[in-house]
Amino acid sequence: DAGVIQSPRHEVTEMGQEVTLRCKPISGHNSLFWYRQTMMRGLELLIYFNNNVPIDDSGMPEDRFSAKMPNASFSTLKIQPSEPRDSAVYFCASSLPGFIAFFGQGTRLTVV
Amino acid sequence: GNSVTQMEGPVTLSEEAFLTINCTYTATGYPSLFWYVQYPGEGLQLLLKATKADDKGSNKGFEATYRKETTSFHLEKGSVQVSDSAVYFCALSGLDDYKLSFGAGTTVTVRA
Repeated sequence: DAGVIQSPRHEVTEMGQEVTLRCKPISGHNSLFWYRQTMMRGLELLIYFNNNVPIDDSGMPEDRFSAKMPNASFSTLKIQPSEPRDSAVYFCASSLPGFIAFFGQGTRLTVV
Repeated sequence: GNSVTQMEGPVTLSEEAFLTINCTYTATGYPSLFWYVQYPGEGLQLLLKATKADDKGSNKGFEATYRKETTSFHLEKGSVQVSDSAVYFCALSGLDDYKLSFGAGTTVTVRA
């Protein structure tokens, strides 16, 4: 298995633009997590899905952020409109409940 | 809810020094416990894990023992190397809520 695949690896966008981050979890894993990492706040859980259903989205910062998981092999995190304070590294991870979570390489987002 | 508290950094050590990073947790039931490591510019990767009380996880010279009586999972290494410089995260996964919760991370720098 290729592991958790995230795209793009790097994204630079202008303030106000829509940004979509993509994640392909490991086949067979039924839990998926989106995290954001910044120097100021560390690693923050934004949302997690179990069996494609959002279980906890309390970490989503505001309505500009939305996440979907239309099927077991794909998830997106969308920011619309983007702001400079959204600049961070966004990680996707997948796992079986209670077991090891495997992380993707992350998407480094820069909003200018 | 479940939560993890780990020792704040940064920690700076000389090569061959002893490293310990404290981690305590709050959880219902019997969670699984993990240490993840993040090397500069990379995603998180699993370092070691323990799934029940008194289990000892070990990898690359690092060890941590699941102590239910003290709700702790401290990370130790007897002789660190420059290549151990990284950010270390303690994490917990509950079988009841599927959520993977991370501590704030501890930055470790090892000097030659």
